[in-house]
Amino acid sequence: DAGVTQSPTHLIKTRGQQVTLRCSPISGHKSVSWYQQVLGQGPQFIFQYYEKEERGRGNFPDRFSARQFPNYSSELNVNALLLGDSALYLCASSLESSYNSPLHFGNGTRLTVT
Amino acid sequence: ELKVEQNPLFLSMQEGKNYTIYCNYSTTSDRLYWYRQDPGKSLESLFVLLSNGAVKQEGRLMASLDTKARLSTLHITAAVHDLSATYFCAVDIRPGGGADGLTFGKGTHLIIQP
Repeated sequence: DAGVTQSPTHLIKTRGQQVTLRCSPISGHKSVSWYQQVLGQGPQFIFQYYEKEERGRGNFPDRFSARQFPNYSSELNVNALLLGDSALYLCASSLESSYNSPLHFGNGTRLTVT
Repeated sequence: ELKVEQNPLFLSMQEGKNYTIYCNYSTTSDRLYWYRQDPGKSLESLFVLLSNGAVKQEGRLMASLDTKARLSTLHITAAVHDLSATYFCAVDIRPGGGADGLTFGKGTHLIIQP
């Protein structure tokens, strides 16, 4: 079975631009979470979606938004990019929205803002 | 605000030696996860610890959880070079799961030398 797939793998954008990152969860997984990992740090929670509804939001500005589609895939949008948005963006899926469903992470999208 | 602290942050050790990585957290939780990340790669789930006193072992790695002390340990026995990676602990405080995502430590960068 395919794991969590993310696209694109790498992206270079200019300050002020907008970006959309995509994620396809493991087949059968209904929960998708997004994390930002700045170089040298642990991942930081951005959003969780379950059954197309937002279930949680981390401490990120409103420039960050996301959605989940009927097929459980998800998009993360970031508007008005800042240099500080440069990071590895990780998508993770789990079977359900519960603590005993461990997260399975994708390989991430490396975003560079210049 | 939940804080998750790992120590050490950097560890260089020789093959064949034993060592322990510590993960302390600031808010009551009985759900803790360990992940491994290789350079340029995503996170791989190692252990899921869901109760006080939980102990899990896989090969040369053993993880334990003491919820009263708010402490988890990852013990490495007779280290081998293949275990070189960055190890993250992550704590879940979501009531019933699903709301606020995981909070990660900064990671322990482990180098095992021949």
